[in-house]
Amino acid sequence: SQKIEQNSEALNIQEGKTATLTCNYTNYSPAYLQWYRQDPGRGPVFLLLIRENEKEKRKERLKVTFDTTLKQSLFHITASQPADSATYLCARTNAGKSTFGDGTTLTVKP
Amino acid sequence: NAGVTQTPKFQVLKTGQSMTLQCAQDMNHEYMSWYRQDPGMGLRLIHYSVGAGITDQGEVPNGYNVSRSTTEDFPLRLLSAAPSQTSVYFCASTNLPAGRDYGYTFGSGTRLTVV
Repeated sequence: SQKIEQNSEALNIQEGKTATLTCNYTNYSPAYLQWYRQDPGRGPVFLLLIRENEKEKRKERLKVTFDTTLKQSLFHITASQPADSATYLCARTNAGKSTFGDGTTLTVKP
Repeated sequence: NAGVTQTPKFQVLKTGQSMTLQCAQDMNHEYMSWYRQDPGMGLRLIHYSVGAGITDQGEVPNGYNVSRSTTEDFPLRLLSAAPSQTSVYFCASTNLPAGRDYGYTFGSGTRLTVV
């Protein structure tokens, strides 16, 4: 079966530091990996997508990498702010089917 | 542009009752999915569809049915509600990210309690 795992349930960092979240998958590489942000009581919001043939993607303070050898994606938030505190989910997608990890809850302390 | 609309927002059912959770999108998306999210956990895929008339099972399909008669609508039916189906249900839609970064758009969720 296609599994996707996010290594940490919780990550606490100081404001201004870089947060790095990890997502690992099993079996074959997904066509693409997606990262979402979810705030309490809300639905997930799409942040970034990276394709199997891409190594890195950036959007403002966000960066995502995709390593098909390690079967891993890293999600970075640079110059983190308390407003970045949320749960971040990664998802693998193949043929229209997306499965999500359990998420990592990031807390950025002032 | 409403996005993905889910109704109802809240529902309480008695064990054994049936009901349909509605999901509609106005973005002409081909792909639609239903997820459930239990407290402190991630999203688990119930059923998904890659186009009108095509549906398939996800990770946790038992106790649920879906149909996709139109591109816009993707209702989820609970056949005989059980307390284990108490959860928050999210509907999501997308198109293939052909040449663009395109993720899922999620609805606001239906909070279901089965007593």
